[in-house]
Amino acid sequence: DAGVIQSPRHEVTEMGQEVTLRCKPISGHNSLFWYRQTMMRGLELLIYFNNNVPIDDSGMPEDRFSAKMPNASFSTLKIQPSEPRDSAVYFCASTRTGGFNGYTFGSGTRLTVV
Amino acid sequence: QKEVEQDPGPLSVPEGAIVSLNCTYSNSAFQYFMWYRQYSRKGPELLMYTYSSGNKEDGRFTAQVDKSSKYISLFIRDSQPSDSATYLCAMLHGSGNTGKLIFGQGTTLQVKP
Repeated sequence: DAGVIQSPRHEVTEMGQEVTLRCKPISGHNSLFWYRQTMMRGLELLIYFNNNVPIDDSGMPEDRFSAKMPNASFSTLKIQPSEPRDSAVYFCASTRTGGFNGYTFGSGTRLTVV
Repeated sequence: QKEVEQDPGPLSVPEGAIVSLNCTYSNSAFQYFMWYRQYSRKGPELLMYTYSSGNKEDGRFTAQVDKSSKYISLFIRDSQPSDSATYLCAMLHGSGNTGKLIFGQGTTLQVKP
């Protein structure tokens, strides 16, 4: 089991550029979550999908943020245009419904917008 | 007011000490209560979880949930330097067992040799 795989691990970009973060959930997991972690606000849920369908995107901060899950094994989080205040660590997590299985997190993408 | 409150610390203890970490919450609908451990520059990993009220023990770790007080605790016995990490409480918000996992701020723990 390779776990939840996120790419890239680090991203440095200039303000105004488009940023795309990628996530591959654990095979067989049908729920996927995008979180953002900062020192000030801790871990915040941005959006989650169940069976590839977005269920709750109330945590997405602005229209500059969008997320997709075109199939069960891939999801993207896009920021366009990026701003310095978007600098944070973005985590993807997945779980399987049907009994509590915990949520498995990836190693995160550390985003710096300069 | 945040749904889940956790003292961010930092907390520094000598090796072998008993550590007590706590969270309070406001939403009585929470049913699953979790503790995650996060090492520096890593993702959170599930340490323990409890469904509803009660205690759960796993080796040196004990989780307690008091739903009447909306208070959860994690105790670490015989703490080790390898326990140095950030500990995050988390609660499941939603029906069934999948939904919005709400985290506390995290408490940074340092265990000194």
